[in-house]
Amino acid sequence: GAGVSQSPRYKVAKRGQDVALRCDPISGHVSLFWYQQALGQGPEFLTYFQNEAQLDKSGLPSDRFFAERPEGSVSTLKIQRTQQEDSAVYLCASSLTSGYQETQYFGPGTRLLVL
Amino acid sequence: DAKTTQPNSMESNEEEPVHLPCNHSTISGTDYIHWYRQLPSQGPEYVIHGLTSNVNNRMASLAIAEDRKSSTLILHRATLRDAAVYYCILRPLRTSGTYKYIFGTGTRLKVLA
Repeated sequence: GAGVSQSPRYKVAKRGQDVALRCDPISGHVSLFWYQQALGQGPEFLTYFQNEAQLDKSGLPSDRFFAERPEGSVSTLKIQRTQQEDSAVYLCASSLTSGYQETQYFGPGTRLLVL
Repeated sequence: DAKTTQPNSMESNEEEPVHLPCNHSTISGTDYIHWYRQLPSQGPEYVIHGLTSNVNNRMASLAIAEDRKSSTLILHRATLRDAAVYYCILRPLRTSGTYKYIFGTGTRLKVLA
């Protein structure tokens, strides 16, 4: 079946531009996560949605980062006034429920390069 | 949350077994042990998870020490396609909060032809 998809796969932005990254989770998955992965590091948690509700945004690094999931399916991560330190791979993951034993299914990521 | 410790890198010859260790000396009784791997230019991929007993699936086996302070991911016959970064992650039981994953830097496995 279809997995998690993300678009675009690559994005080059000039410093100061706004960008929007899209995530299409597996159909019917309640939980959706965003992670940021810097070069050579493991992914780091950014934010979590249960359906359309954003229940945890403790990992968002600044108020320039904003995420939404208005209808409980597709999610968008928006970064305003991009900075060079925002260059990273942004990963989206979904899971069927929010339960203790659920595993997460990751998309291929969007590689963002800010010049 | 309890932390895990993994070697930065390991090498294996193709078609030989690989044992990837993970130390988690501060694990608590309800922490699940999850393993993911990340192939080049891809997102992490679930491999296996377990609580106390050893686990097997089509991808790998997970051997958990009796005191649960360490575990080993076993790839029975490494192939070139198994070259990836392998992450060992603890999943605590929460009464509140998010079931996010906390990744370390993992073990980069190189498979030699």
